[in-house]
Amino acid sequence: GESVGLHLPTLSVQEGDNSIINCAYSNSASDYFIWYKQESGKGPQFIIDIRSNMDKRQGQRVTVLLNKTVKHLSLQIAATQPGDSAVYFCAENLDYGQNFVFGPGTRLSVLP
Amino acid sequence: EPEVTQTPSHQVTQMGQEVILRCVPISNHLYFYWYRQILGQKVEFLVSFYNNEISEKSEIFDDQFSVERPDGSNFTLKIRSTKLEDSAMYFCASSGTRGASSEQYFGPGTRLTVT
Repeated sequence: GESVGLHLPTLSVQEGDNSIINCAYSNSASDYFIWYKQESGKGPQFIIDIRSNMDKRQGQRVTVLLNKTVKHLSLQIAATQPGDSAVYFCAENLDYGQNFVFGPGTRLSVLP
Repeated sequence: EPEVTQTPSHQVTQMGQEVILRCVPISNHLYFYWYRQILGQKVEFLVSFYNNEISEKSEIFDDQFSVERPDGSNFTLKIRSTKLEDSAMYFCASSGTRGASSEQYFGPGTRLTVT
């Protein structure tokens, strides 16, 4: 989900369930994407990345899917744990440099 | 585990004053970055820095902003004459290698409040 302004979309999941967080990116020329996790009071933390020549990449408990046709990125978290509660946002890279464009974020809330 | 540190955690300043935000990157990293995040909004890239010069900067990073590596461990962001709209979280990051795919490690941020 997406939003602008002060209200982040929130995804609430039961502990142990899988989570899917979505991101629509802006530029069809973007060729590199990162998912970040941001816990309250902390800076963004790298989770997983993917290049545009891939459709899917897996990490530990996380999978990123890239659909270039519709400019859509998703983050799947398996067996969601309380420690996964955070804001998650995607970032796209437009020009092989350092200038990433960040998405607005989704708040993941894990219910006991 | 090495981490990026930032000081202060919260800075309150009056409009028109100069502020310096400080960061200590991870010790063997060579590439440094500043980002800002206005409350409730997206993280925005400000500037990247390598070999004592700016590598890239965004449109936000105007003449009011400057960065410096005054010694072997600190990396600073200076805002010369703060405006109300400069109120935000400012994050420093560092990476060991160059390129978009080099993992950037972020500090905890400095909350700047301009009154």
